[in-house]
Order: sequence, then structure tokens, then C-alpha cells
Amino acid sequence: DAMVIQNPRYQVTQFGKPVTLSCSQTLNHNVMYWYQQKSSQAPKLLFHYYDKDFNNEADTPDNFQSRRPNTSFCFLDIRSPGLGDAAMYLCATSRANGAPEAFFGQGTRLTVV
Amino acid sequence: AQSVSQHNHHVILSEAASLELGCNYSYGGTVNLFWYVQYPGQHLQLLLKYFSGDPLVKGIKGFEAEFIKSKFSFNLRKPSVQWSDTAEYFCAVSRYGNKLVFGAGTILRVKS
Repeated sequence: DAMVIQNPRYQVTQFGKPVTLSCSQTLNHNVMYWYQQKSSQAPKLLFHYYDKDFNNEADTPDNFQSRRPNTSFCFLDIRSPGLGDAAMYLCATSRANGAPEAFFGQGTRLTVV
Repeated sequence: AQSVSQHNHHVILSEAASLELGCNYSYGGTVNLFWYVQYPGQHLQLLLKYFSGDPLVKGIKGFEAEFIKSKFSFNLRKPSVQWSDTAEYFCAVSRYGNKLVFGAGTILRVKS
């Protein structure tokens, strides 16, 4: 009965080789988020979708892109991963109205070699 | 800069000890406040939340938190911790819309 599902749990990619992380949800929430979490640091918001509207954080590098083809799915594309992009990537969802609590997936741990 | 601060990065307690984890934020105006917990190998889970009303909120597993507006604080407490409370705890704040800003987290280890 997982509600926010991220695939894969672990991803190893080569330096500079494009990689895509995926997230799906069964909650029918309007809002989907991608966070980056490095070791011993707070999760950092990269961007979020409010329905189809994409909202990029000002300090998110251009190397990071996202797609949301429908309500249930959202993808994080890293065009040219660098060693500094190794991190845990967290997907979360929330309702647009009412209680704005976020529901998180288990994360994808990205290793860049 | 506007931020969320958690005072301790690592806390070690013995079972049955009382717990208080500090959280301060620097945003003005109306905020929504959260504590999330991440057990080893698991995803972030909501522990408790404050939107309005009684500033003392109770969450799951015996946790509670108190919002003190004048101190910009939302400290997490538990009277008696258990070994199973070993986890990382994150304070988070949202202002406009739904965007959450997290503190750096506190790793709690409870010794049995």
C-alpha cells in the first residue's frame, strides 16, 4: 500500500551520463516535489509541480530537469551528472488545498562513478 | 538568511530518558510546522504538525511538540524514549503554498 514510490532505490551512473529517476503516487495529489539530500544535510528542494505548472527553485542547477506527464508520475532528469550530484533524491507529494503535509517516497540513492 | 535550525546533530540517550529536540525558524508571519522522522532504511514519515490552534500538539508514538511563537520555536519532546525511537528527526516549516524547508536533522540513538 505504498503511496509514493520511487524507482530505483539505488542508481549508479557514470560521470556525464544522463540519468532519470522516477516517482509515482497513488494519492492523486496535485503537488509533487523533488528534494536532494546530501549526507548530514537537510533535504533541499529542487523544484515542484503544482498540477502541470513547473516551479524551479532559483538555485537549482540547469543540469537538473523534471517532467510530469500526468498526475501520477514525475521524473527527475540529470543531464550530465557530476560527482557532486551524488545524493539521496526524495520525491514527495501533497494536496494543493487544506493541510500541506508532504508524503515522501523512500528515495533514490544516486552514486556517480 | 531565512532558515530552520536544529540545535543538535547527534543525541544519545538511554531508554526511559526524556527527549527534547530543539527547532527554531527565522520566518515571520504565519507558518506551518512539522516534525518528520526517518527510521533506518525507511522514508520520511510525518510525526506531527502544527497549523493553528492549541500550540501543544500531539503526534504518533507519544511525541509532542510545542509552538512558541515569541521564540520562533517548535521543540519536539517525548517523556520516555524507547530503543525503537532510534532515527533521524527533521523539523520543517512551510510558509507560502506547500514548499517545505527542512532543518539539517538530528540523529537520535537510544541505548537499550
